[in-house]
Amino acid sequence: EAQVTQNPRYLITVTGKKLTVTCSQNMNHEYMSWYRQDPGLGLRQIYYSMNVEVTDKGDVPEGYKVSRKEKRNFPLILESPSPNQTSLYFCASSYAGNSNQPQHFGDGTRLSIL
Amino acid sequence: AQSVTQLGSHVSVSEGALVLLRCNYSSSVPPYLFWYVQYPNQGLQLLLKYTSAATLVKGINGFEAEFKKSETSFHLTKPSAHMSDAAEYFCAVSDFGNEKLTFGTGTRLTIIP
Repeated sequence: EAQVTQNPRYLITVTGKKLTVTCSQNMNHEYMSWYRQDPGLGLRQIYYSMNVEVTDKGDVPEGYKVSRKEKRNFPLILESPSPNQTSLYFCASSYAGNSNQPQHFGDGTRLSIL
Repeated sequence: AQSVTQLGSHVSVSEGALVLLRCNYSSSVPPYLFWYVQYPNQGLQLLLKYTSAATLVKGINGFEAEFKKSETSFHLTKPSAHMSDAAEYFCAVSDFGNEKLTFGTGTRLTIIP
């Protein structure tokens, strides 16, 4: 089954404790992206990757890091989380080079930073 | 930069009534347009997409949307609402040659029995 898998689904942690949210896709997609969803703001792009070892900032990259060492994986790293990063996070993937391709989304990770 | 406006953060309709969710985009050239649906505790699922092949686009679950260039609109409709349509709906836009999606702020649809 084609899918984007995120882990964990839920996490409560404390300010400053490094965390990683994993994202994996099994569709051989080149393009992967992280979004955060906040009430009244819709989804905003954090980082994206066009392919292995190619990443770039989205609209709200501050406080986040990403890496793309393998095509299927695109982890989101919060090195020193703060309460304003409490949010619902989504990973998405699609084929690159054809911007009319729909993105496939994971089920989301709800992060609470205390 | 692209932007998307969804009028009405909350819309309530009676079961069996017409569903109309509004989306306007800003773009100097026709973009690619998408509607996604989000059910509780789930990710976003594609409802339909416009890619310039036809202005009236049919999607899943009986939804359709019409691209109107003169109005820069891409409103989502369904003739008869069903209880299972209760969800949050997002309109999104991307430019030709750019995979980045810009989302609207979403519309929560409530169905009244």
